Amino acid sequence: KQEVTQIPAALSVPEGENLVLNCSFTDSAIYNLQWFRQDPGKGLTSLLLIQSSQREQTSGRLNASLDKSSGRSTLYIAASQPGDSATYLCAVPNTNAGKSTFGDGTTLTVKP
Amino acid sequence: DGGITQSPKYLFRKEGQNVTLSCEQNLNHDAMYWYRQDPGQGLRLIYYSQIVNDFQKGDIAEGYSVSREKKESFPLTVTSAQKNPTAFYLCASSTRSGNEKLFFGSGTQLSVL
Repeated sequence: KQEVTQIPAALSVPEGENLVLNCSFTDSAIYNLQWFRQDPGKGLTSLLLIQSSQREQTSGRLNASLDKSSGRSTLYIAASQPGDSATYLCAVPNTNAGKSTFGDGTTLTVKP
Repeated sequence: DGGITQSPKYLFRKEGQNVTLSCEQNLNHDAMYWYRQDPGQGLRLIYYSQIVNDFQKGDIAEGYSVSREKKESFPLTVTSAQKNPTAFYLCASSTRSGNEKLFFGSGTQLSVL
């Protein structure tokens, strides 16, 4: 059974700092890995999707990498802003049934 | 605008009552999902459907039921058998069975009176 772990559970940084969020998974036979952002009381917004054949994806100040062999993905946020404060979740689809397993998320606070 | 609409935003359930959460999508997606989120935790899959008139149990299906009579709609009923229903419920959809990008609705917060 796929297990997804996100460390740290919470992170607080000053504005302008570059930071890395981590996601690890136990079953490396994945189709893709998706990073989401969730604001309090809201749904999930997709940030980046990395296909299993890709090593990384970039969108603006965000860069996500994928290393299937080690079961790890990282989300790099450059020049963090207070508006980046949210919970960030990663998810991987189950190869058999097409359902996704989610990590518990990392709650990021960017202080002005 | 294409997207997923969940309603209501807040819902209260009395003891012994069944309640239904609505999920509608106009993205023309085949697959739809229901997830439950408890405070400080990730999402857990309740039910999913890959095609109309077919659905499968997820990891925590006990106390819940679904139907998929139309491609656009995937309502979730929280039955009286679900003893701890207070949670944030999220509906999602994708073009195929989860191997493509997942899109989410804005969620329904269910509380017990």
